[in-house]
Amino acid sequence: QVQLVESGGGVVQPGRSLRLSCAVSGFSFSSYGMHWVRQAPGEGPEWVAVISSDGTDKYYADSVKGRFTISRDNSKSTLYLHMDNLRTEDTALYYCTKSYSADPISFLIHNWGPGTLVTVSS
Amino acid sequence: ENVLTQSPDTLSLSPGERATLSCRASQSVGRNYLAWYQQKPGQAPRLLIHRASSGAPGTPDRFSGSGSGTDFTLTIIRLEPEDFALYYCQQYAASPLTFGGGTKVEMK
Repeated sequence: QVQLVESGGGVVQPGRSLRLSCAVSGFSFSSYGMHWVRQAPGEGPEWVAVISSDGTDKYYADSVKGRFTISRDNSKSTLYLHMDNLRTEDTALYYCTKSYSADPISFLIHNWGPGTLVTVSS
Repeated sequence: ENVLTQSPDTLSLSPGERATLSCRASQSVGRNYLAWYQQKPGQAPRLLIHRASSGAPGTPDRFSGSGSGTDFTLTIIRLEPEDFALYYCQQYAASPLTFGGGTKVEMK
């Protein structure tokens, strides 16, 4: 059974940094592209970033490009999102998500974790 | 970026009725890479439909997707009590991936 468990969320001041982690189990992590998707309170989902199965290809939403970095450690079955220069508009529930198919990079999102809440506030 | 507009914002229906949700894209969605997700309060979204009309594993037969190009539809042929929720469309043909604003299906 696919399990995705995010951690690392919390309250942080504007301009500071935070790193989110996602520990996965129940599937061959190194075979799947992975995404981060966020959802602000009362809003719809917003895609943040995707990383290919081997970590070489990465794509970002314009709203986070240059500030956020997606990465993965296939030996630890863990996905990361390093967030720098955080803004109040980055406040959201951050979901770790798994691609639908075992392609090097797949944009179809299938499984979602429960999310970790990031609050950016002074 | 491909902007997705969903309509209506809210659909008020009774169990057993048919629900028709619309999703319109500002640009043609390549290969009809359009997905539908269901989200219930306090839960993460759940994939229902991909490639416009293909059911994801576990999706009940009462859910069907249709459309191509820029106009897509999610139909729930007979609403069950557990179907009252938020529904989002999403295009995954190209980065940046984009979601629609959502349609809430509420009980009348």
